[in-house]
This record gives sequence, structure tokens and C-alpha cells, in this order.
Amino acid sequence: EPEVTQTPSHQVTQMGQEVILRCVPISNHLYFYWYRQILGQKVEFLVSFYNNEISEKSEIFDDQFSVERPDGSNFTLKIRSTKLEDSAMYFCASSRTSGYGEQFFGPGTRLTVL
Amino acid sequence: ILNVEQSPQSLHVQEGDSTNFTCSFPSSNFYALHWYRWETAKSPEALFVMTLNGDEKKKGRISATLNTKEGYSYLYIKGSQPEDSATYLCAFPNNAGNMLTFGGGTRLMVKP
Repeated sequence: EPEVTQTPSHQVTQMGQEVILRCVPISNHLYFYWYRQILGQKVEFLVSFYNNEISEKSEIFDDQFSVERPDGSNFTLKIRSTKLEDSAMYFCASSRTSGYGEQFFGPGTRLTVL
Repeated sequence: ILNVEQSPQSLHVQEGDSTNFTCSFPSSNFYALHWYRWETAKSPEALFVMTLNGDEKKKGRISATLNTKEGYSYLYIKGSQPEDSATYLCAFPNNAGNMLTFGGGTRLMVKP
């Protein structure tokens, strides 16, 4: 069964460093998303992406964040200068259609900023 | 900011017990409600997408109901098994369907 994959599973970085989190969505999906969960808090939406552009973003998704689909298979989230409060589990998701249907989630990347 | 709430936060039951928990969401501008099951170290897995008031969906021992007029959904697990231990999340999409607002989750632990 096709699944969303994410790498790495755990990333440790120093404050101020750039990180790139990688995702491979399901191959025939066209809509891509990033969410995150800070420990003890709710899962929060960051950004959605379709047709090579951002379709929706939250207040969290400021200039320090960017997303890219560099080729036909990968979808990346870059944090330019990490802060301690960026420590969280980051989830990628994809869906085949827009609208209210199911989003398929990856297993997450745990980012720890020291 | 949408307010999606789940209760209880956590639940401990014995194997064989039936259990249920609640997701409440804004009753105005309803589009759909998603239920996800999230086991530790695994991907959140979609259980149901519910769209119609009065909807009732079932997958094995797990079922869900929806009341859009009063803004709540119940998830029921009949005869809980240890493998049902997970966090159950509900999520409410925006009008464009391109973002989900999640509740805080109910963490279920089933003791053998």
C-alpha cells in the first residue's frame, strides 16, 4: 500500500542553523501539507501546497519557513534559522484531490533544537 | 481561530470494555469532520471522513456518529483490545479543504 515517507526520523540541530525536512508524498497525489506538534500541544497546520505554489499558510509559517517541490517526488520544508521553539514533530501529508477528503500522513520528523 | 476540542484527554480501560469519546467543533460553516488514529512512532491513519448530519460510519469494532447542528461527533470502540491503544484525533477542515484544525486528541490505553 502506498505511503508517505519522511526523512530523517529525528534531527538534532543547533539554534540558528538551517534544517531541511524531507517528504516523499504518495505518487499520484497533487496536494501537499506540513503540520507540526509541539510536545503537549495540538497538531498545528503550517502550510498547504498545490501546483508548485502555496495555497494556504498559517501565522506560524513566517519568513523563516519555506517549502519546495524540487523534483517530481520530494516535498521539503526548510527552516532558515532554527529557534528553540521550533522543536516539534513535523508531519508531512498528501491528498489526491482537494476538498474535504482524507489526508495521508507520514510518520513525522522529530526536530530538536538545542 | 477554530475551536476543536476533544474529551477526555486520556482514558484507561480494560480489555473487553466498550468506550467512547467526544469531539466538539463549530456548528456553523460545517464542511466535514475527520477522525484519525495515531499509534506512537507510526503515521496518523484516517479512520473516517464524515460529512452529513446524522452520519454513522463503522470500521470493524470502531464506529462514529456526527451531529452537525450541535457540533459534536462521538467515536465508539466496542470490546476494546490492547491493539486499540493509540491517540484518537479529530480534525476540522477549512472551507477550501486545504487545512485541518485538530483537536487535542484522546489517548486511549487498553490494559490486557
